[in-house]
Amino acid sequence: AQTVTQSQPEMSVQEAETVTLSCTYDTSENNYYLFWYKQPPSRQMILVIRQEAYKQQNATENRFSVNFQKAAKSFSLKISDSQLGDTAMYFCAFMKRRNTDKLIFGTGTRLQVFP
Amino acid sequence: DTEVTQTPKHLVMGMTNKKSLKCEQHMGHRAMYWYKQKAKKPPELMFVYSYEKLSINESVPSRFSPECPNSSLLNLHLHALQPEDSALYLCASSQESRTSPFRTQYFGPGTRLLVL
Repeated sequence: AQTVTQSQPEMSVQEAETVTLSCTYDTSENNYYLFWYKQPPSRQMILVIRQEAYKQQNATENRFSVNFQKAAKSFSLKISDSQLGDTAMYFCAFMKRRNTDKLIFGTGTRLQVFP
Repeated sequence: DTEVTQTPKHLVMGMTNKKSLKCEQHMGHRAMYWYKQKAKKPPELMFVYSYEKLSINESVPSRFSPECPNSSLLNLHLHALQPEDSALYLCASSQESRTSPFRTQYFGPGTRLLVL
């Protein structure tokens, strides 16, 4: 069975600084997909970034980028130039390529951005 | 446009009530999902509909009854719920495409349910 681990329950960062959220996963699959979702206090789960395991290049979306280390089964999220609106719960998630309906979520990291 | 809408935003119901949650998307997605999320926990998958047919039921109690009347709508009928069923209920939808072979799930804002 696949598992996703987020070892940082809470993190904080000052506005305009950079923060990295950790995620590791365990799987015997070779082809899979990884996601970071953000859930602000408004509750809506918002896709931040996604990565296909067969692509070696790390995904980037504006201020958000990932460090994908397939051998180490690590998928960390870097937020640059942090903004107050980045305050949220961040979930890392895994999906097998063969079954594209089941998202397996980590336990989440609560990020607080301070002015 | 990646909008999934859910109604109502909040719902309070007694254990003998019957109520329904509604989810709608107009992105042409053919897979729709119901999740249950307790406070400070990740979402837990309940049901998946693919092309309007139930494809996954994660051993959810029968007091939760999903329905997919058409490709844009997903309902969750609630009956005889327990206080422990109080949670945020999230709907999501997804679609395969030629440029993206995997189904990215897009979530609605959720319905906050309180069972008294």
